[in-house]
Amino acid sequence: EPEVTQTPSHQVTQMGQEVILRCVPISNHLYFYWYRQILGQKVEFLVSFYNNEISEKSEIFDDQFSVERPDGSNFTLKIRSTKLEDSAMYFCASSETRNSPLHFGNGTRLTVT
Amino acid sequence: KNEVEQSPQNLTAQEGEFITINCSYSVGISALHWLQQHPGGGIVSLFMLSSGKKKHGRLIATINIQEKHSSLHITASHPRDSAVYICAVPNTGNQFYFGTGTSLTVIP
Repeated sequence: EPEVTQTPSHQVTQMGQEVILRCVPISNHLYFYWYRQILGQKVEFLVSFYNNEISEKSEIFDDQFSVERPDGSNFTLKIRSTKLEDSAMYFCASSETRNSPLHFGNGTRLTVT
Repeated sequence: KNEVEQSPQNLTAQEGEFITINCSYSVGISALHWLQQHPGGGIVSLFMLSSGKKKHGRLIATINIQEKHSSLHITASHPRDSAVYICAVPNTGNQFYFGTGTSLTVIP
């Protein structure tokens, strides 16, 4: 069964550094999402992406964050200047249509020191 | 404010028990998602529903759009059902709101 893949599984970075989290959604899916989960807290929505543009973003998704679909298969989340509070598990998900089930990647655990 | 409220937060059950997890939401939605988060952290979609009831194996999900309420039922619970169950709703703009999750432990 096709799956969403995320790399790396764990990333450690120093405060102030830029990080890029990578996701390969399922190939025929059209909607892409990034979520994050701070340790011990609930999952939070960051951004949804459709037709090569952001369709919705949360208050968390400020100017430090950006998303791209650079080559038709990868979907990336960039954090420009990481802060300690960006430490979390970041999940990518995709769906075939807006009202289809979500398929999640296994997540990237980001640790900012 | 919490757009999505789940109850209970924690639930311990004996193997074989019937389990119900509830979700209430305040935003206008097109569909509601039930997700399962494994102890290792991975998230799996269980159901997406916009009306009525869906069944998959021992899992049943219902939704009442007028009352803005959904329930997830597990029949004949098993220790492998132990996980966190999360209700998530996209608003009409496709921004998602998540419940805090229900941590279920099924004891043999």
